[in-house]
Amino acid sequence: QITLKESGPTLVKPTQTLTLTCTFSGFSLSTTAVGVAWIRQPPGKALEWLALIYWDDDNHYSPFLKSRLTLTKDTSKNQVVLTMTNMDPVDTATYYCAHTSGWLVDFWGQGTLVTVSS
Amino acid sequence: EIVLTQSPGTLSLSPGERATLSCRASQSVGRNYLAWYQQKPGQAPRLLIYNASSRATGFPDRFIGSGSGTDFTLTISRLEPEDFAVYYCQQYATAPCAFGQGTRVEIK
Repeated sequence: QITLKESGPTLVKPTQTLTLTCTFSGFSLSTTAVGVAWIRQPPGKALEWLALIYWDDDNHYSPFLKSRLTLTKDTSKNQVVLTMTNMDPVDTATYYCAHTSGWLVDFWGQGTLVTVSS
Repeated sequence: EIVLTQSPGTLSLSPGERATLSCRASQSVGRNYLAWYQQKPGQAPRLLIYNASSRATGFPDRFIGSGSGTDFTLTISRLEPEDFAVYYCQQYATAPCAFGQGTRVEIK
């Protein structure tokens, strides 16, 4: 059974750096063609794809946020860490991590709401 | 970058009616790597359709995905009360794997 759970701060101040951790079970990020993606959703708005880290360390980022995002993985801990710099109130959203088969998002975490406010 | 446009924004229908949701891509989606997700209030999205027409585990056969290239459709043949939700399409052929803006299917 594949499960994922996001953890991190619920409130960050503008200009701060957000660090979110995705802890997962039921799969390994060293398995061929497996990845972990991050997706966010501002309140009442649509889903936005942010980034993907792949089993072979191939990373892909949204071109709109590429300069602010970093993805790392710790295969031994079954964790992926998303870092987003220079947070702004428009970054207020529920952040999801998700398992991918190839690049298909097939299992989602429950999401974590991050509010950016002073 | 492939941009996905979903229409309509909102679909108001009654249980038992047929729902037809559209997703158009700004360029051809390679290998028809197009997925649909269902999202209910307060929940994470769930994978519904992948590879444009393959149904994910747990969804009944009233959900039908079709299309290829740049035009894709999700059809719900007869709406059940639990089908009222927001539906998103997403392409996963090339990065960034963008989502459409969603179609809300609401009870009329």
